[in-house]
Amino acid sequence: GAVVSQHPSRVICKSGTSVKIECRSLDFQATTMFWYRQFPKQSLMLMATSNEGSKATYEQGVEKDKFLINHASLTLSTLTVTSAHPEDSSFYICSALGASGQETQYFGPGTRLLVL
Amino acid sequence: LAKTTQPISMDSYEGQEVNITCSHNNIATNDYITWYQQFPSQGPRFIIQGYKTKVTNEVASLFIPADRKSSTLSLPRVSLSDTAVYYCLVGDEKKSSGDKLTFGTGTRLAVRP
Repeated sequence: GAVVSQHPSRVICKSGTSVKIECRSLDFQATTMFWYRQFPKQSLMLMATSNEGSKATYEQGVEKDKFLINHASLTLSTLTVTSAHPEDSSFYICSALGASGQETQYFGPGTRLLVL
Repeated sequence: LAKTTQPISMDSYEGQEVNITCSHNNIATNDYITWYQQFPSQGPRFIIQGYKTKVTNEVASLFIPADRKSSTLSLPRVSLSDTAVYYCLVGDEKKSSGDKLTFGTGTRLAVRP
């Protein structure tokens, strides 16, 4: 199956700093990428949909100025958590959907963010 | 987006067949049914996808009745390593804009020795 990577796999930062998470589709071009957040023992919650070359579409309740998404190429999308606070600590997962022919999304391995 | 309902948890023993049923009463004509497996601290992993009747691959089978209002994921002869959360999702991912998937609660499967 298609491979999606995320970097870093885990990050610890101080409150007030910004953290950037990268999502890459390694063997296919992804016209659409999705960003999810998952708290312990809970399901995945969609944060935003990212289309290459256009602005991301955010889900209700997700602050677009706090969670900056850039999808500058067909293989890379980034999520920047600005001025992170402890309540932003979570597991962030991206997924990618191919340009054509693909029937399903492929998920990255996730990034564990801990804000102290 | 079609909402899905699954059992919160299931228990099984090694070597048994496990069937997890998902209800999706308002599934749309163009929607596919996709199942994912997730281990702790990992991203979901694609298991199987289907539209109607039966689909089988090397790890699972997916049974979909004619009305498509439910589906059953069948895992043959589970092992301890199959302990995970299983998500059933319904959506039309073939749309050019990409349809977003809504994750339900998932089913937490515990396989015991």
